[in-house]
Amino acid sequence: QQQVKQSPQSLIVQKGGISIINCAYENTAFDYFPWYQQFPGKGPALLIAIRPDVSEKKEGRFTISFNKSAKQFSLHIMDSQPGDSATYFCAASRAGDSSYKLIFGSGTRLLVRP
Amino acid sequence: KAGVTQTPRYLIKTRGQQVTLSCSPISGHRSVSWYQQTPGQGLQFLFEYFSETQRNKGNFPGRFSGRQFSNSRSEMNVSTLELGDSALYLCASSFPDNEQFFGPGTRLTVL
Repeated sequence: QQQVKQSPQSLIVQKGGISIINCAYENTAFDYFPWYQQFPGKGPALLIAIRPDVSEKKEGRFTISFNKSAKQFSLHIMDSQPGDSATYFCAASRAGDSSYKLIFGSGTRLLVRP
Repeated sequence: KAGVTQTPRYLIKTRGQQVTLSCSPISGHRSVSWYQQTPGQGLQFLFEYFSETQRNKGNFPGRFSGRQFSNSRSEMNVSTLELGDSALYLCASSFPDNEQFFGPGTRLTVL
C-alpha cells in the first residue's frame, strides 16, 4: 500500500514533442504528490506538486494531471527540449503521519533528441 | 536563500568502518529527511528529524542512525559499513509544509 508505481522506465522524445510520465498509487491517504527532476551528479530538484483537491496544475511547460478515482497522476512536459533530458521521479506523502516522508516512484529516464 | 548543503560530497570507506555525513538545511527549515539512492532500490527514506526529534524512520537496519542539532543541522551515521551501503545519500529540508528541497548528496563508496 506504500508503493508508487512509475512508468515508463525510459522515454525518448523528439524536440518539441510532449513527454508523458505516469504514476499510480494505492494508499488513498496520500495527499501530496510532487515531481522531481534529477540531473546526473545532482540531487533531485522539486519541479511541480499537486494536492488531491485539484485535477490539474500547470507551471510553464510542465503540467500535472491528477485522477483521484483512478489513483493516478501524470507529468506532461510540453514542447520538450534537450535540456529537459534528465531522470524524473514522482512521489507521494501523507501529511496525516505528522511526517514529511516521501515515497518515490522508480524513476523515468527522459532523453529529448534535438 | 542558500540551498541545502551536504558534506562531504564524496567518501571512500572500507567494509567495517563507520561514516558520518552532515547536512545543513535551508535557513528557517526545521525538518531534515535523509534518503538513500541506489540504482537497484531507487530513492528510499531513511529517517526524518524535526526540532531535534526523530519523527519517522524507514526500513533500514540499526546501523543507520541520525541526529539533529538545535540549529537544525543534521548528521547521519552508518556503522560497520557493508558493500551494499554504497549509495548516494541525500538530505532534504522542509518547513512549514512538506515541500522538500534536496541537497546535492554525498556519494559513499564502500570497498
